[in-house]
Amino acid sequence: RKEVEQDPGPFNVPEGATVAFNCTYSNSASQSFFWYRQDCRKEPKLLMSVYSSGNEDGRFTAQLNRASQYISLLIRDSKLSDSATYLCVVNIADSWGKLQFGAGTQVVVTP
Amino acid sequence: DAGITQSPRHKVTETGTPVTLRCHQTENHRYMYWYRQDPGHGLRLIHYSYGVKDTDKGEVSDGYSVSRSKTEDFLLTLESATSSQTSVYFCAISGAELLGAQETQYFGPGTRLLVL
Repeated sequence: RKEVEQDPGPFNVPEGATVAFNCTYSNSASQSFFWYRQDCRKEPKLLMSVYSSGNEDGRFTAQLNRASQYISLLIRDSKLSDSATYLCVVNIADSWGKLQFGAGTQVVVTP
Repeated sequence: DAGITQSPRHKVTETGTPVTLRCHQTENHRYMYWYRQDPGHGLRLIHYSYGVKDTDKGEVSDGYSVSRSKTEDFLLTLESATSSQTSVYFCAISGAELLGAQETQYFGPGTRLLVL
């Protein structure tokens, strides 16, 4: 079983719609959670950190559910520029400074 | 954007030849990482460094070695390249040692390596 699992998609979303997807992680001791965005043939870039209470950054909302060991990302009012692969990232609990990356969820926003 | 560069950005080489990839940072961060990214896989850690001359293996370290003689440079060497090492290689840095900082990592632009 992979330590961080994501639905690969693609999630095809009409422009202006809302899309949400989850990621599950296996290590209950993990403490740090992130969403990264990766455009085709580019490097991953930090989208947002995920805090226990949930957090919002503009049109993006991230939630953490420790009991069920998943994090979610919701994108409201989708823009064409939101088309990308979204990587779920979790720290490796027993090894400071190391992260575990999911394989990514592809989002395609259509006009 | 974090000051991270990678060189070369693209390389084609033949099986059995040694290859060295360079990562250079201007952020003075202590932690540096080498990952490879392949279709269907998440980023997989090859080696990482937690200081000058301090390195450790990641989950896919076989066939790779690293060196860090200066804070700003982290070199990845494929000792004898194989076709299975065809991949995109990303370097990352982290200021995780900073008090109160999360373990956020920032990535370089990547190196596309093709081993024929």
